[in-house]
Amino acid sequence: AQSVTQPDIHITVSEGASLELRCNYSYGATPYLFWYVQSPGQGLQLLLKYFSGDTLVQGIKGFEAEFKRSQSSFNLRKPSVHWSDAAEYFCAVGPDISNFGNEKLTFGTGTRLTIIP
Amino acid sequence: EAGVTQSPTHLIKTRGQQATLRCSPISGHTSVYWYQQALGLGLQFLLWYDEGEERNRGNFPPRFSGRQFPNYSSELNVNALELEDSALYLCASSWDRGSGELFFGEGSRLTVL
Repeated sequence: AQSVTQPDIHITVSEGASLELRCNYSYGATPYLFWYVQSPGQGLQLLLKYFSGDTLVQGIKGFEAEFKRSQSSFNLRKPSVHWSDAAEYFCAVGPDISNFGNEKLTFGTGTRLTIIP
Repeated sequence: EAGVTQSPTHLIKTRGQQATLRCSPISGHTSVYWYQQALGLGLQFLLWYDEGEERNRGNFPPRFSGRQFPNYSSELNVNALELEDSALYLCASSWDRGSGELFFGEGSRLTVL
């Protein structure tokens, strides 16, 4: 079974600064990896996903993530954050294509991002 | 286009009672997923409904049940409520069983006293 860890419960970043949110997974093969964002008063929204191919994935709202097999990581990055990026971010992992189904996603516990002026 | 809608927003019950939560998926989505988000924990998968049938359930006791109606809306029932059932219950819908793209509602917060 797969598992996912988000080591940082809460991160504070200044507006305009760069951002990196950490995500580590455990899975025997190459997993499917996702980042979701939950803005205040809204449901979770998919930011980006990695299935295969290029290990650097571009997502919506200027976010990107890099899959590093050697480190079992899928960290989320943004070069310059905006106040509207304040939200809770969830990393999720799913099994490989032969076993994948939406219901098999395992979510991390989330990282809350605070933006200061 | 309307997103996933859930009701009620908040619900307070006492131990032993039953709770019913409702979810309307995005138009055209036939799959509905239910998750429990307890404090400090990630989203825990509860149930998946597709085309009116329960397709899979997570590691939760049978007192967590639900159904999906012909219009694809769904209902989650929690019987014999326990204090540890207090959580945010999230509903999600999807147009594809294997895309990984889930569209979530804002959730229903259940408090058990």
